[in-house]
Amino acid sequence: ETGVTQTPRHLVMGMTNKKSLKCEQHLGHNAMYWYKQSAKKPLELMFVYSLEERVENNSVPSRFSPECPNSSHLFLHLHTLQPEDSALYLCASSQDYGGVREQYFGPGTRLTVT
Amino acid sequence: GESVGLHLPTLSVQEGDNSIINCAYSNSASDYFIWYKQESGKGPQFIIDIRSNMDKRQGQRVTVLLNKTVKHLSLQIAATQPGDSAVYFCAETAGGYNKLIFGAGTRLAVHP
Repeated sequence: ETGVTQTPRHLVMGMTNKKSLKCEQHLGHNAMYWYKQSAKKPLELMFVYSLEERVENNSVPSRFSPECPNSSHLFLHLHTLQPEDSALYLCASSQDYGGVREQYFGPGTRLTVT
Repeated sequence: GESVGLHLPTLSVQEGDNSIINCAYSNSASDYFIWYKQESGKGPQFIIDIRSNMDKRQGQRVTVLLNKTVKHLSLQIAATQPGDSAVYFCAETAGGYNKLIFGAGTRLAVHP
């Protein structure tokens, strides 16, 4: 166990649905990340939150909406997704965003958009 | 949790042999590098890291070598075991922020 949990582990949703992915870290870290791991591309950074403030948005479409209500929780709200959004969505955390530190990853949510 | 569908290079080794996994990085300004291991159904797991002011760093059974001249990074695993079978990713970052850029990965298959 890495100290980062993600729910659900698997999700199937239609293109008109709205769903949310949840991430929780039990490490006391100040930075949290969303990554996308798809069948055709390497791990891609989507969003970064540092001290609950969004500091990076890597040109992610607006159908993905992150939320960080506190330093331990991170959500990714999904709406009107496309089939090409099917992927493994990974959450990670690190002690800080400034100053390089190891990132701890959760097990991911396998998302299928039908 | 694997990058299934990507045509990942595969390294096949016999149990007990040494493994060398290579990575070419893209940004000459990158100053921190990290290796991750991803087993099936799991998220990436930290193995070892190295800063650009070093050219070699050793951990338990693993060694990372950095050649900044040719922008090349390698991971050496000594006495490879079946539990080492996984996809291995290198990642780089520059500028002191934890914004990692990941490579495509290499699949390591260990045969008894």
